Amino acid sequence: EAGVTQSPTHLIKTRGQQATLRCSPISGHTSVYWYQQALGLGLQFLLWYDEGEERNRGNFPPRFSGRQFPNYSSELNVNALELEDSALYLCASSTGQTLAKNIQYFGAGTRLSVL
Amino acid sequence: AQKVTQAQTEISVVEKEDVTLDCVYETRDTTYYLFWYKQPPSGELVFLIRRNSFDEQNEISGRYSWNFQKSTSSFNFTITASQVVDSAVYFCALLDSNYQLIWGAGTKLIIKP
Repeated sequence: EAGVTQSPTHLIKTRGQQATLRCSPISGHTSVYWYQQALGLGLQFLLWYDEGEERNRGNFPPRFSGRQFPNYSSELNVNALELEDSALYLCASSTGQTLAKNIQYFGAGTRLSVL
Repeated sequence: AQKVTQAQTEISVVEKEDVTLDCVYETRDTTYYLFWYKQPPSGELVFLIRRNSFDEQNEISGRYSWNFQKSTSSFNFTITASQVVDSAVYFCALLDSNYQLIWGAGTKLIIKP
């Protein structure tokens, strides 16, 4: 069974551009989570989507946005890129809508470099 | 406030030694869930274990064991007879009521041959 897949593996953009990152969850999982792992800042929660809806959002500016498609895959969009957006972006998926059933399984990430 | 602290930034041991990674958490919830993940150089976070706040039974899985103590708000992870392949960054995390994982800073574990 395939795990969480993310594309692209690496992405290089210049300041002011837009970046789109993609994530396919494990088959049967309806929830997708996005986390940012920036040097010196650690892992930080970005967004949570479930059944096509945004359920929760971390402390990030509105230029970080995303969506979840009917097949449960997800996109993370970062507009007006800034140098400090350079980071590893990790996507996770889970099944079950109760905390008791929530285990988040992660993909290998997309490394975004903003020049 | 919800917080996870991993005070050990980096640990280096020689292969076959036992090593314990510390994790201390803070939460206002009475029911909560704690996790350990491993991040090898490839970058993917690998799920290792989840514990519920109402189950303080320690767990052993092969060379890995976990000691959960509510009295000290700790959830420590021990690797017995460490191997070079155990080298990675290990993260402790707390799942909050909004389904987001609150992460510790991670402990980089280096196992020398």
